[in-house]
Amino acid sequence: GNSVTQMEGPVTLSEEAFLTINCTYTATGYPSLFWYVQYPGEGLQLLLKATKADDKGSNKGFEATYRKETTSFHLEKGSVQVSDSAVYFCALRPYIIQGAQKLVFGQGTRLTINP
Amino acid sequence: EAQVTQNPRYLITVTGKKLTVTCSQNMNHEYMSWYRQDPGLGLRQIYYSMNVEVTDKGDVPEGYKVSRKEKRNFPLILESPSPNQTSLYFCASQGLAGVETQYFGPGTRLLVL
Repeated sequence: GNSVTQMEGPVTLSEEAFLTINCTYTATGYPSLFWYVQYPGEGLQLLLKATKADDKGSNKGFEATYRKETTSFHLEKGSVQVSDSAVYFCALRPYIIQGAQKLVFGQGTRLTINP
Repeated sequence: EAQVTQNPRYLITVTGKKLTVTCSQNMNHEYMSWYRQDPGLGLRQIYYSMNVEVTDKGDVPEGYKVSRKEKRNFPLILESPSPNQTSLYFCASQGLAGVETQYFGPGTRLLVL
């Protein structure tokens, strides 16, 4: 079946530190991969995505590369800010069969950045 | 502004009292979906709809109903809520042309006593 595993949280860093949040997946075929971010009290927003192997998604200084050989999509940022404090979700969308669009989510990683 | 709206945002109810959470999108999306978010479990899909009058079960449909009479609306119905349905609920919508972004509503936090 399809599943996503994220590193356990919570993660606490100081401002300007380097961030990595690990994400690995299990899927049949060629899924699309996503990172969503949830700020306190808000819904999920798409942060970045990658639709095929070796694609790199990037947005707001965050990056993630679709690694088919290691079935991973790790999220990285070179210098985090206090405003990056949020819950981050890794997700996959299985290869589309008959129009199915379900997202399969990891359990989420809570990130706190201290000034 | 493109958005998905949900109402109410917060709801406290008692076991067995029927409730409806509304969801509406203004992007003319064909696909809509409901998820619930629980600690340590991420988001799990409850029901989805590929278009008007076309709905199907997700991974955790027990205790829920949905309807899709209009393209923009996708209400979630709890006929007889139970405490294990206490959760944070998200509605989402998406177009079906290519690999499109799925947009989420702000969430509805439900407490069933």
